[in-house]
Amino acid sequence: ETGVTQTPRHLVMGMTNKKSLKCEQHLGHNAMYWYKQSAKKPLELMFVYSLEERVENNSVPSRFSPECPNSSHLFLHLHTLQPEDSALYLCASSRTDSDTGELFFGEGSRLTVL
Amino acid sequence: RKEVEQDPGPFNVPEGATVAFNCTYSNSASQSFFWYRQDCRKEPKLLMSVYSSGNEDGRFTAQLNRASQYISLLIRDSKLSDSATYLCVVNSNAGNNRKLIWGLGTSLAVNP
Repeated sequence: ETGVTQTPRHLVMGMTNKKSLKCEQHLGHNAMYWYKQSAKKPLELMFVYSLEERVENNSVPSRFSPECPNSSHLFLHLHTLQPEDSALYLCASSRTDSDTGELFFGEGSRLTVL
Repeated sequence: RKEVEQDPGPFNVPEGATVAFNCTYSNSASQSFFWYRQDCRKEPKLLMSVYSSGNEDGRFTAQLNRASQYISLLIRDSKLSDSATYLCVVNSNAGNNRKLIWGLGTSLAVNP
């Protein structure tokens, strides 16, 4: 059983919709991440939060808006997405963002934009 | 040149076989290295870190060659349950997880 849970697991939305992805970690970690995984592309880091403060934003379009209300919860708010945004969105956590390499992932939210 | 490069496979091997994957990286200043495993339609999970001296965990052996800038993963006595995609991950910044560079992965299918 994963210590990081993501909802919804699947999401289909139109380009004009607004939706949110939710991530919750039960591991007592201080760092949380959003990654995008597309077919035939490596994992792309989108955002990093450390102790609820955003510490990394990898040139992600503004139609993706993260929110971290506390160290256990992370959201990704989506609006006016494009079909090319269809992908698996993975949330991860680590004890701190200074840990090198050990990330714990949720099962992902598979997003389809029509 | 890609920052982290892996042979995508697929590698099809019979049960009991020994299989090895290589991964090359372009940044010679990279500090730490990892192998993750991702099952079909599941999330990546850390398989093992790769240490300079090489390390072994049961049937799995990881090695680092800094001079040639590659890491390897050897799986002995393959099991059906080893079928997965193996992701090579390189950290170019020893201080944090923000510079993890992921390979595309190598697909392994172990056949009965």
